[in-house]
Amino acid sequence: KQEVTQIPAALSVPEGENLVLNCSFTDSAIYNLQWFRQDPGKGLTSLLLIQSSQREQTSGRLNASLDKSSGRSTLYIAASQPGDSATYLCAVSPTGTASKLTFGTGTRLQVTL
Amino acid sequence: GAGVSQSPRYKVAKRGQDVALRCDPISGHVSLFWYQQALGQGPEFLTYFQNEAQLDKSGLPSDRFFAERPEGSVSTLKIQRTQKEDSAVYLCASSLLEGGYTFGSGTRLTVV
Repeated sequence: KQEVTQIPAALSVPEGENLVLNCSFTDSAIYNLQWFRQDPGKGLTSLLLIQSSQREQTSGRLNASLDKSSGRSTLYIAASQPGDSATYLCAVSPTGTASKLTFGTGTRLQVTL
Repeated sequence: GAGVSQSPRYKVAKRGQDVALRCDPISGHVSLFWYQQALGQGPEFLTYFQNEAQLDKSGLPSDRFFAERPEGSVSTLKIQRTQKEDSAVYLCASSLLEGGYTFGSGTRLTVV
């Protein structure tokens, strides 16, 4: 059974810092990995999707990497802003067509002024 | 619609009461998923539809949980005889067959 773990569970940083969120998974037979953002009382917003054949994806100040062999992904946030405060979730998918996602427990990020 | 719509946003139920949660997916999205998210946890898969066919219901925690999507569009998740452990946020997501999930804002169910 696939298990996804995220470290740290919570993180508080001052504005402007660069930070790294970690995600690990036990079964490397994945098709893709996604990072989501969840704001309090809201649904999930997809940030980045990495196919299993790729090693990284970038969008603005966000960069996500994937190492299937070690079962790890990292989300790098550059020059953090208070608006980045949210819970960040990673999720893996086993197949190429729409399929159920296995989520980690999330990292709750607070960026302070 | 422009996004996935879920209703109600909040539901308080007395233990033993039946509840029905509604999901309106994005028009044309073939796939629809239900997830359950307990406080402080990541979402956990409940069930999956492709059009009106329920292809996977392996995540439903008990036979008190039932989901349907009779016309391949709107879906309803029904929970019978609610228990306190059913308290959670229930998230619906829809996608085209090749992925690209859009999540709704969820229904927060509190069983008292």
